[in-house]
Amino acid sequence: GAGVSQSPSNKVTEKGKDVELRCDPISGHTALYWYRQSLGQGLEFLIYFQGNSAPDKSGLPSDRFSAERTGGSVSTLTIQRTQQEDSAVYLCASSIADADTQYFGPGTRLTVL
Amino acid sequence: AQSVTQPDIHITVSEGASLELRCNYSYGATPYLFWYVQSPGQGLQLLLKYFSGDTLVQGIKGFEAEFKRSQSSFNLRKPSVHWSDAAEYFCAVDPSTSGTYKYIFGTGTRLKVLA
Repeated sequence: GAGVSQSPSNKVTEKGKDVELRCDPISGHTALYWYRQSLGQGLEFLIYFQGNSAPDKSGLPSDRFSAERTGGSVSTLTIQRTQQEDSAVYLCASSIADADTQYFGPGTRLTVL
Repeated sequence: AQSVTQPDIHITVSEGASLELRCNYSYGATPYLFWYVQSPGQGLQLLLKYFSGDTLVQGIKGFEAEFKRSQSSFNLRKPSVHWSDAAEYFCAVDPSTSGTYKYIFGTGTRLKVLA
């Protein structure tokens, strides 16, 4: 069956621009997670969705970061006014329930010039 | 503070040699434990997981891991490494015994395999 998919796979943008990153979880998975993987910081949790609601946004690094999930499926992570320190690989994961194994997508590599 | 430690940043082994990657965690109770592998340009693939029961866990690609409560460790092993095993390996924990949702990752160990 299909795994978690993310788009785009690569995104290059200029400082100050807004970007949207998309995640398609595995069908039937109610929980969805965003992580960021950057040099020197490792893998950091950003936000967690259960259905369309986000009980935990504690990992979002600033108010420039936001995420939404619609129809209990696709999620979009938006970064406004991008900064060079936002350059990283953004990984999405999903799980059947919030206490189950997380399956990861291939990630979106974001480069902010 | 809760933490996951992978002490080895880089490991180099010869093809056919045995492998052990270390992972230690710092939590009050036994967390759920995972090993993931990331090949260059790829996402994270689950190798194996420990929730409870038998402390020796078998995973995919010939990997196994042993949970040792007394040492707060969950080391990954493989008896004979193949060149295709070259990748970065991440240990992760779900720190609640009832399961939460916020994995804590180690910093990763990059494995190089010599032909």
